[in-house]
Amino acid sequence: DTEVTQTPKHLVMGMTNKKSLKCEQHMGHRAMYWYKQKAKKPPELMFVYSYEKLSINESVPSRFSPECPNSSLLNLHLHALQPEDSALYLCASSQAPSGRVVNEQFFGPGTRLTVL
Amino acid sequence: GQNIDQPTEMTATEGAIVQINCTYQTSGFNGLFWYQQHAGEAPTFLSYNVLDGLEEKGRFSSFLSRSKGYSYLLLKELQMKDSASYLCAVKGGSYIPTFGRGTSLIVHP
Repeated sequence: DTEVTQTPKHLVMGMTNKKSLKCEQHMGHRAMYWYKQKAKKPPELMFVYSYEKLSINESVPSRFSPECPNSSLLNLHLHALQPEDSALYLCASSQAPSGRVVNEQFFGPGTRLTVL
Repeated sequence: GQNIDQPTEMTATEGAIVQINCTYQTSGFNGLFWYQQHAGEAPTFLSYNVLDGLEEKGRFSSFLSRSKGYSYLLLKELQMKDSASYLCAVKGGSYIPTFGRGTSLIVHP
């Protein structure tokens, strides 16, 4: 199984809503990532979990809250978002970050988020 | 920090060869990836280079020169389905890849 799954595929939420994005992989990868991607822009790194611990937070606003319940699951909790947070949110996984292996990232299909 | 530069857009004809360049400046270097991303879809892995030279994989090849901070992705026998964005990503000292802005390739008949 070389698939990363993400739910939901589409999400529309108001600025006062609380919602969660979910990501799952069963490749035994120990690194998981959240990216935000705006149209015609590259993926922008938000968070990295390595061995279920948050290792990188790229100065993301606290209205985005990541969670890694176990080595296969990654959540992104959303609260009080702004319209400018509308984007495609991509989850990815890889072997743990290392210079010794290729550890290419496998991306999920993304969640298209619209904040009204 | 890292600085990665790619052309914004390229066009080519079906059946032709196209070369997409990527130049980078990074503190520490642990490899360079190329990903393909079709509109509205997730990026998919194409190639990885960590040593100088050419890596060939079917119609796609990728080249790296570490001393010049330069890579290219070569696509041969272009097909319409190759129309996509091609992302160069550099793995620096943190071992986390940083993506360039991507090159949008348009293949026309």
